[in-house]
Amino acid sequence: AQKVTQAQTEISVVEKEDVTLDCVYETRDTTYYLFWYKQPPSGELVFLIRRNSFDEQNEISGRYSWNFQKSTSSFNFTITASQVVDSAVYFCALSDPDSNYQLIWGAGTKLIIKP
Amino acid sequence: NAGVTQTPKFQVLKTGQSMTLQCAQDMNHNSMYWYRQDPGMGLRLIYYSASEGTTDKGEVPNGYNVSRLNKREFSLRLESAAPSQTSVYFCASRPLAGGNLAKNIQYFGAGTRLSVL
Repeated sequence: AQKVTQAQTEISVVEKEDVTLDCVYETRDTTYYLFWYKQPPSGELVFLIRRNSFDEQNEISGRYSWNFQKSTSSFNFTITASQVVDSAVYFCALSDPDSNYQLIWGAGTKLIIKP
Repeated sequence: NAGVTQTPKFQVLKTGQSMTLQCAQDMNHNSMYWYRQDPGMGLRLIYYSASEGTTDKGEVPNGYNVSRLNKREFSLRLESAAPSQTSVYFCASRPLAGGNLAKNIQYFGAGTRLSVL
């Protein structure tokens, strides 16, 4: 069965600190996709990144970076020089073609950035 | 560009009442999904529609029905609301998958906050 685990329920850091959000997944499929979504206090879900199982290249987008490691089934998300506006709940999710790309979600990590 | 639009944004029901949550997308996407989000949990799939005219159950379908009215619209109906259905409901849509991996991204509406008393 597919599963996504975000062990960190809540993280609190002071602004400008770096913070890493962990995501561990389980799947038997060889082709799958991993996602990160952001849910700010306003409640909408904002897509951040998608990674497919064949591409282990790490990605950087501004202050955001993602580390995908198949060997440890992890897809971690790092925010560098955090800002108050980064405060949100962050979700990691998994999908595969065999299930019509249904998203299997982790429980989310609430990130609090203190000024 | 509206994207995915959900109505209503908020709703309070009494136990046993019925209602329909509406979802419409203007991105010409093929697949549509209904999820619910409960406190401290990730989203869970209720129903999905791979294409116009088809619907399938997700992880938590009991107590719900859906209708894929046309390519744009996918509604979720609660026939007899129960307090356990108090939740935030999200609709999402996804383009047809294919060679372009960008088409595997789901785009979400703003959500409907439903309370059943």
